[in-house]
Amino acid sequence: NAGVTQTPKFQVLKTGQSMTLQCAQDMNHNSMYWYRQDPGMGLRLIYYSASEGTTDKGEVPNGYNVSRLNKREFSLRLESAAPSQTSVYFCASRPGLAAYNEQFFGPGTRLTVL
Amino acid sequence: QQQVKQSPQSLIVQKGGIPIINCAYENTAFDYFPWYQQFPGKGPALLIAIRPDVSEKKEGRFTISFNKSAKQFSLHIMDSQPGDSATYFCAAKITFSGGYNKLIFGAGTRLAVHP
Repeated sequence: NAGVTQTPKFQVLKTGQSMTLQCAQDMNHNSMYWYRQDPGMGLRLIYYSASEGTTDKGEVPNGYNVSRLNKREFSLRLESAAPSQTSVYFCASRPGLAAYNEQFFGPGTRLTVL
Repeated sequence: QQQVKQSPQSLIVQKGGIPIINCAYENTAFDYFPWYQQFPGKGPALLIAIRPDVSEKKEGRFTISFNKSAKQFSLHIMDSQPGDSATYFCAAKITFSGGYNKLIFGAGTRLAVHP
């Protein structure tokens, strides 16, 4: 099992460019998440998908869109990148909504917006 | 109300020392408190977790102490090793109606264990 995989690992964009961050999990998990990690701020939830076919906003959704393509894949799109979106992005998944299910994180995508 | 405050931001100890990382919260609706460990270039991984009806949990050299009345919890690493050098995040889980739940993370503590 590869667990949670993310592509690309690194990306540099210019302001205004668009891109899609890809995430896939092979653990048959129902729920998937996108976080951003900034120095001194921990991990903040951007969007989540409780199950295939549903998506909802997290704490910091502005400037992002998501697609739950199927049970395995959950993508994050930046339509018009801004320097404030420079961050490390993590995708995570968990089996379902049961109270004590663990979240499994991918290795992250380091994004720089110039 | 949904914040989790973590301290210190960074910590340096000698091998064999006992680093302690503290977290505090306000929202009494939090119902689960995990700690995550993150090595450079990797995603966070669950280290240990505690439920609020338990005051202490040990797993190997890692111990969580939980004080429900003070709304504080802490991570202790016994006999710390250089391989424990990582960033540690505390988190708190809140459950909403419909069963959806989410984690609120602290800001993280960068731990360095010197040989």
